[in-house]
Amino acid sequence: GAGVSQSPSNKVTEKGKDVELRCDPISGHTALYWYRQSLGQGLEFLIYFQGNSAPDKSGLPSDRFSAERTGGSVSTLTIQRTQQEDSAVYLCASSLKTSGGINQETQYFGPGTWLLVL
Amino acid sequence: GENVEQHPSTLSVQEGDSAVIKCTYSDSASNYFPWYKQELGKRPQLIIDIRSNVGEKKDQRIAVTLNKTAKHFSLHITETQPEDSAVYFCAAIDGYSTLTFGKGTMLLVSP
Repeated sequence: GAGVSQSPSNKVTEKGKDVELRCDPISGHTALYWYRQSLGQGLEFLIYFQGNSAPDKSGLPSDRFSAERTGGSVSTLTIQRTQQEDSAVYLCASSLKTSGGINQETQYFGPGTWLLVL
Repeated sequence: GENVEQHPSTLSVQEGDSAVIKCTYSDSASNYFPWYKQELGKRPQLIIDIRSNVGEKKDQRIAVTLNKTAKHFSLHITETQPEDSAVYFCAAIDGYSTLTFGKGTMLLVSP
């Protein structure tokens, strides 16, 4: 079946502008994750959704970052007043379920959105 | 929270040699340990995972070992091929439903 999809694939924006990134998880996957990956770096956790709620927002770097998920499916990550240091690949992943409150299921990644802030 | 350390950061081997990447974790409650492979410009892809009730798992040329007492786990790739060249990430899950990733190992397999 279809995998995780993200849009746009690339985004170039000017410093100070707002951007919105979209993630479509695999159908039926209740858990959704956002990560950030800077050039040559590892995966930085941003936020996790279980259904429409976000039990863990601990990774959001500042109050300029927010995310929401509606209908237990699509999620959007919004970055307000973008800064050059926001330039990175933003990856979304989804997994099937949690078990006893602990997610032990494989996370499947989307292709990412390459964000460049000039 | 969980802290995952991964070594080495870069690894260069000759085709046909074995490669070993090691990770340590801090949270003794962690019980799921996946490994992801990320080729240049592509998404991370799960290649193998292990749960805490198992000490070793093998899938063709790749294997993962887990030592819960020492809180470390390793990825072993045998008979390496140039297409194994990529960045490999280990991860561990803590009790709060989020994976913590290591910083990655860039593996280069020279023909």
